[in-house]
Amino acid sequence: GQNIDQPTEMTATEGAIVQINCTYQTSGFNGLFWYQQHAGEAPTFLSYNVLDGLEEKGRFSSFLSRSKGYSYLLLKELQMKDSASYLCAVRGSKAAGNKLTFGGGTRVLVKP
Amino acid sequence: DAGVIQSPRHEVTEMGQEVTLRCKPISGHDYLFWYRQTMMRGLELLIYFNNNVPIDDSGMPEDRFSAKMPNASFSTLKIQPSEPRDSAVYFCASSLSLHTRTGQETQYFGPGTRLLVL
Repeated sequence: GQNIDQPTEMTATEGAIVQINCTYQTSGFNGLFWYQQHAGEAPTFLSYNVLDGLEEKGRFSSFLSRSKGYSYLLLKELQMKDSASYLCAVRGSKAAGNKLTFGGGTRVLVKP
Repeated sequence: DAGVIQSPRHEVTEMGQEVTLRCKPISGHDYLFWYRQTMMRGLELLIYFNNNVPIDDSGMPEDRFSAKMPNASFSTLKIQPSEPRDSAVYFCASSLSLHTRTGQETQYFGPGTRLLVL
């Protein structure tokens, strides 16, 4: 099975940096996704890591360490519109159907 | 592209009634997923299809839930009879592929159907 842990809530100031950690224990691993979900809306894709290292996409970066079962999402130059929930999701092995298992989400509140 | 389309966006019904949720995936996507999201349990996969064929329905909570995909552009999730504990947001998502590592397995979500069973 899959077990994914991420903090429930984080608060940061506009213009600052916030790092959202995600740890996972899985029976198989085939990639890790980060999604952003604003209140009342659908999750939208942010980033994808399948190999170790850092993936940068504008103000957002995502890091993966497969040996440690660990990922983080880094949000830089925070803006008020970044207030949302951030979902970490792990894709299981082919034997497990390559299914995505989502963490509970981290609610980020950006204050002025 | 219009993205994944779901209807209705909101549904309020009484316990015991049949509920049908609808989804149109992104054109050309071979995989379609149904998820349920609640505060208590987060986002859970219910069932997914590949080329209109159900592949894994292990997440379907019980026999009251059923899903079909009669063609590549349409899927339904039906709850009969509905119960108050079925109240949740139901998302449909689609992806180009599932088994590659090129990003084609990225799932794109529809706006969701907010279901309230009284």
